[in-house]
Amino acid sequence: GAGVSQSPRYKVAKRGQDVALRCDPISGHVSLFWYQQALGQGPEFLTYFQNEAQLDKSGLPSDRFFAERPEGSVSTLKIQRTQQEDSAVYLCASSLGLGNTIYFGEGSWLTVV
Amino acid sequence: QKEVEQDPGPLSVPEGAIVSLNCTYSNSAFQYFMWYRQYSRKGPELLMYTYSSGNKEDGRFTAQVDKSSKYISLFIRDSQPSDSATYLCAMSAGDGNKLVFGAGTILRVKS
Repeated sequence: GAGVSQSPRYKVAKRGQDVALRCDPISGHVSLFWYQQALGQGPEFLTYFQNEAQLDKSGLPSDRFFAERPEGSVSTLKIQRTQQEDSAVYLCASSLGLGNTIYFGEGSWLTVV
Repeated sequence: QKEVEQDPGPLSVPEGAIVSLNCTYSNSAFQYFMWYRQYSRKGPELLMYTYSSGNKEDGRFTAQVDKSSKYISLFIRDSQPSDSATYLCAMSAGDGNKLVFGAGTILRVKS
């Protein structure tokens, strides 16, 4: 596709429910990132993939958060046993590689009730 | 203290004004500096990308980086109502990948 595509755009989850957020990066982009953006704040880094390898997961807030990119293209961010503090926009981004422009998707808006 | 500080505003200006947006940072390892624009319920859109110190101009937008002062700026000339958005500064160290963002400044341009 022309841009980074994320689904679902909006998700309401009950506390304790597991959620999965999908990201389709721009075709040919080897680098893929997940960011979390709380209301009124800038995005915060969660994790980074180069192809299928997860090279940095230092930003994942707890072991309830898990990301994968098994074939080096589509990525899934999974949040287990969701808590209210997980409510945020989850942004996926991709780039051609090191030092190249990073393009963001429109985000998945997660509300935990 | 956050690595990147940015005044959240809101900043309200009349149409046609020159807008100045700024960020300060504490990590001297940052070498890549970016400005993103984010409209409501949309993802961030890259406006300007600068490596190291200096100025860069693109149309109505000028980005300045002063590494000695750990201070970056974005200037918008002849501001338009369509420029109303949140402006995020972002920066990264040598690997150019992991971005650290400011909190964003809300800009409102009134016609």
